[in-house]
Amino acid sequence: DARVTQTPRHKVTEMGQEVTMRCQPILGHNTVFWYRQTMMQGLELLAYFRNRAPLDDSGMPKDRFSAEMPDATLATLKIQPSEPRDSAVYFCASGPLGGPVRFGPGTRLTVL
Amino acid sequence: SQQGEEDPQALSIQEGENATMNCSYKTSINNLQWYRQNSGRGLVHLILIRSNEREKHSGRLRVTLDTSKKSSSLLITASRAADTASYFCATDGTGTASKLTFGTGTRLQVTL
Repeated sequence: DARVTQTPRHKVTEMGQEVTMRCQPILGHNTVFWYRQTMMQGLELLAYFRNRAPLDDSGMPKDRFSAEMPDATLATLKIQPSEPRDSAVYFCASGPLGGPVRFGPGTRLTVL
Repeated sequence: SQQGEEDPQALSIQEGENATMNCSYKTSINNLQWYRQNSGRGLVHLILIRSNEREKHSGRLRVTLDTSKKSSSLLITASRAADTASYFCATDGTGTASKLTFGTGTRLQVTL
């Protein structure tokens, strides 16, 4: 059963440090999403890609967040510098165009 | 921004009863997807219904879609304690830059 994988599963860091989260989408899925989940804001779409091209990253704070897909098997979300308000669970998800979107287990980020 | 709104926000029922959750959305869609999330865990894909479908079944789950009213419902029959979770609807919008946007979720509690 194919799954989306994410690393790390947990990350604790100090304010100002760089954080990189990685995702391996399901092979053959051409759409990749990054979401952030907090109690206050719920599930927010940060960015998504189709065929590795960024389609929309309007949900991301541009000054500190960046998302890339260096190849079809890897998506990255980077925060530099991190702030305490970035503490959240970050989910990567992938799906075929118009098909079911599968989520990874998430990265729980805590910024002290 | 949230595309979908689930109703009710919270639902408490006894094991064996049916649970119905509703989702309303604002713009045209290609499909609508329902997810389950157990506390502290990732999102599990339950069912996808396309805009040209009116009803879909999967085991104890029944989903309906009314595009004229921009609404969907998820029915869980003969609920079990293990169904306790948050349930989200997500809409895949129309257009080449369609993206999966989540609602606020319904928290379901099934008691013995």
